[in-house]
Amino acid sequence: GEDVEQSLFLSVREGDSSVINCTYTDSSSTYLYWYKQEPGAGLQLLTYIFSNMDMKQDQRLTVLLNKKDKHLSLRIADTQTGDSAIYFCAEDNNAGNMLTFGGGTRLMVKP
Amino acid sequence: DGGITQSPKYLFRKEGQNVTLSCEQNLNHDAMYWYRQDPGQGLRLIYYSQIVNDFQKGDIAEGYSVSREKKESFPLTVTSAQKNPTAFYLCASKRVQGPTDTQYFGPGTRLTVL
Repeated sequence: GEDVEQSLFLSVREGDSSVINCTYTDSSSTYLYWYKQEPGAGLQLLTYIFSNMDMKQDQRLTVLLNKKDKHLSLRIADTQTGDSAIYFCAEDNNAGNMLTFGGGTRLMVKP
Repeated sequence: DGGITQSPKYLFRKEGQNVTLSCEQNLNHDAMYWYRQDPGQGLRLIYYSQIVNDFQKGDIAEGYSVSREKKESFPLTVTSAQKNPTAFYLCASKRVQGPTDTQYFGPGTRLTVL
């Protein structure tokens, strides 16, 4: 079955880069997503990557996909205190209508 | 202003009572979803619906019920059969047709059983 795993916690200093990692098992996924959740709020879509791409850059965000190893990462450049949140990776199923979420990585940014 | 609304934001319930959480969207999305989130954990799918008057159980449907009488609305009832209902509940919706479309989330309802 599908399984998506993330490390639980990451702490960085303001201005440093953050790298959040994710591994998944379903090789038939079409898209992989990164969502951000601030305290007490819903999930906000940050970015996504099509499964035949290796990299996608969007301002401070860089997504890297290693399809062979089923490894996805999210790099946040120049991390700010406002980036402190929980970050979820998710993969879609073959039909594209269902998502499987990782457990989330809590990013703490220290001033 | 399009979006997904959930109400109420905070809900308190006595043990043994049923309670209904509201989810409304004006995005004209076909599919709607309910997730449960427990502290320090990811999202678990309760129910989903891809079309009006049809819905399917997710991974943890026991103790919950839903209806989908209108495209815009997908209310979730937490019944007294749900043994541990205290959690954060998230509703999401998605346009089915687009290949790049994904799920968009409401702000959530935090349910506490007293």
